Amino acid sequence: EAGVAQSPRYKIIEKRQSVAFWCNPISGHATLYWYQQILGQGPKLLIQFQNNGVVDDSQLPKDRFSAERLKGVDSTLKIQPAKLEDSAVYLCASSLRVVGSYEQYFGPGTRLTVT
Amino acid sequence: DAKTTQPPSMDCAEGRAANLPCNHSTISGNEYVYWYRQIHSQGPQYIIHGLKNNETNEMASLIITEDRKSSTLILPHATLRDTAVYYCIVRPPAGGTSYGKLTFGQGTILTVHP
Repeated sequence: EAGVAQSPRYKIIEKRQSVAFWCNPISGHATLYWYQQILGQGPKLLIQFQNNGVVDDSQLPKDRFSAERLKGVDSTLKIQPAKLEDSAVYLCASSLRVVGSYEQYFGPGTRLTVT
Repeated sequence: DAKTTQPPSMDCAEGRAANLPCNHSTISGNEYVYWYRQIHSQGPQYIIHGLKNNETNEMASLIITEDRKSSTLILPHATLRDTAVYYCIVRPPAGGTSYGKLTFGQGTILTVHP
């Protein structure tokens, strides 16, 4: 079974530039999550999709961050314009959303450095 | 969401059992305890979860106290590859916008040494 795919693995940009990350979840997984992990901290949920609908984006900085999952499969997360404090690893995860089991499978992440 | 408390770091000798504690004194009756780990430069990896009973799988065992206010993750024979950050997470009840949401804390850095 293929895992969660993310690209790029690394990205370096200057502040005020824009950047986009891509995620392809495990086949058949209806739920997709984007997390932000700042160095030394645990991952923080940014947004959760159920198929192509958003079910939780309460911690997404909507003035600069956006995400979409148009066909209910892969997803993109965009930052525009980037700030220095956006430097972090962006993790994508997916799950089947089976009742009683919410195991999330994580991708390797994209490490973003904003200079 | 129930909060968890874990020691910031622990050491373990290779081949010995690693016992990682977690306090979750405000857990509700229908909340599960989940454990994930994160090896350096990788995404978190699911280990095990439980509600009331002790659980065991190929990776680890989970011991939950009778009052459910604390739990212990046991790696029976730790190897160098088990060096990672271990997160204990209390998952909120199903339903609503928190369905499936995981709230990660700081976790415990487990170092397995030769």
